[in-house]
Amino acid sequence: SQQGEEDPQALSIQEGENATMNCSYKTSINNLQWYRQNSGRGLVHLILIRSNEREKHSGRLRVTLDTSKKSSSLLITASRAADTASYFCATDDGTASKLTFGTGTRLQVTL
Amino acid sequence: SAVISQKPSRDICQRGTSLTIQCQVDSQVTMMFWYRQQPGQSLTLIATANQGSEATYESGFVIDKFPISRPNLTFSTLTVSNMSPEDSSIYLCSVQWAGAPTEAFFGQGTRLTVV
Repeated sequence: SQQGEEDPQALSIQEGENATMNCSYKTSINNLQWYRQNSGRGLVHLILIRSNEREKHSGRLRVTLDTSKKSSSLLITASRAADTASYFCATDDGTASKLTFGTGTRLQVTL
Repeated sequence: SAVISQKPSRDICQRGTSLTIQCQVDSQVTMMFWYRQQPGQSLTLIATANQGSEATYESGFVIDKFPISRPNLTFSTLTVSNMSPEDSSIYLCSVQWAGAPTEAFFGQGTRLTVV
């Protein structure tokens, strides 16, 4: 299976702190994406980074990609209680047709 | 982006029965997919729903267990047949637009419990 692994599996921080989640994958990719899932509901797309990019920012999100190590990280700065959710990385073959999801990180942000 | 409506949002079913899940999009999409998320697990692609033809199933999933229909560009159904407790999962519909070919948009999911 090409499924990636994420660590940590669970992360608990206080509001205002930064949260870092890591994703490792097994095969070559075209794009790597991060999604958020609230309470077992649908997923929301957060950010996409292409295989020829090393870093990307979107608001409080910062994503890095190291293709030599087959790994990516998602940093959420100045976390808020509303950031509490599960975060998944997903790799694709150039379209959304074959998304392979990582194992996910459950983030809990407390007041 | 468009609105993806998935029904039912949750259901509790008896083993041996079947449940059909509907996914309706308010605009035409190029591709529609069905995923399964077992309790505490990640998402696994079940199949790609093809308009007017048989769905394309991933390894480990078969048409007899998960028949899929896609009669047009905005609607698809997934049936979970002859259910057992192991089928208890969240089932998610996902779509792709031509204008955003690398981004998947998801319905809110159907939480299925088989007793």
